[in-house]
Amino acid sequence: AQRVTQPEKLLSVFKGAPVELKCNYSYSGSPELFWYVQYSRQRLQLLLRHISRESIKGFTADLNKGETSFHLKKPFAQEEDSAMYYCALSAGGGNKLTFGTGTQLKVEL
Amino acid sequence: GAVVSQHPSWVICKSGTSVKIECRSLDFQATTMFWYRQFPKQSLMLMATSNEGSKATYEQGVEKDKFLINHASLTLSTLTVTSAHPEDSSFYICSAIEGAAYNEQFFGPGTRLTVL
Repeated sequence: AQRVTQPEKLLSVFKGAPVELKCNYSYSGSPELFWYVQYSRQRLQLLLRHISRESIKGFTADLNKGETSFHLKKPFAQEEDSAMYYCALSAGGGNKLTFGTGTQLKVEL
Repeated sequence: GAVVSQHPSWVICKSGTSVKIECRSLDFQATTMFWYRQFPKQSLMLMATSNEGSKATYEQGVEKDKFLINHASLTLSTLTVTSAHPEDSSFYICSAIEGAAYNEQFFGPGTRLTVL
């Protein structure tokens, strides 16, 4: 069975500092990895997916199969980045998602 | 575009009653909808996958007779919590996708269920 681990419940950084939200996964096949974000009082929304290989709102994430990781990074944190971030995995070609426990990012001025 | 709504946004009911939660895709046809449950400060746990016109597929440990799912049209799926008990109190979230595999899931705002 697949599993997604986000080791940090809360990550607090200062504005302008680099951000790295950690995500590790376990799955024997080829997974598809996602980052979802939930801003305060808003619904969950897709931030990025590894197959797109694009940068969204300055965030990037690279799938490292050797380390089974999909860390989310941004070089300079902004106040509006404060939110809950979930890493998720889709396995076996379907659409079912397995979510990590989430990391609350707080960007302080 | 790609908006998913849920109704009601919150509901309080007495123990032993049944509660129905609706999930609608407003501007697209959802071939597949998913139902999740989220406990406070915890992650989303997939309960079941709902495909239009067929029976839902439930995740291990989820009682299908307890959580009845109906996906009668391409824009509506319903989750009925039958004979609700206080331990069923939770945040229920649905999502919907259009088309084939690897399509983006669009999430509803969630429904807060409190069972007294």
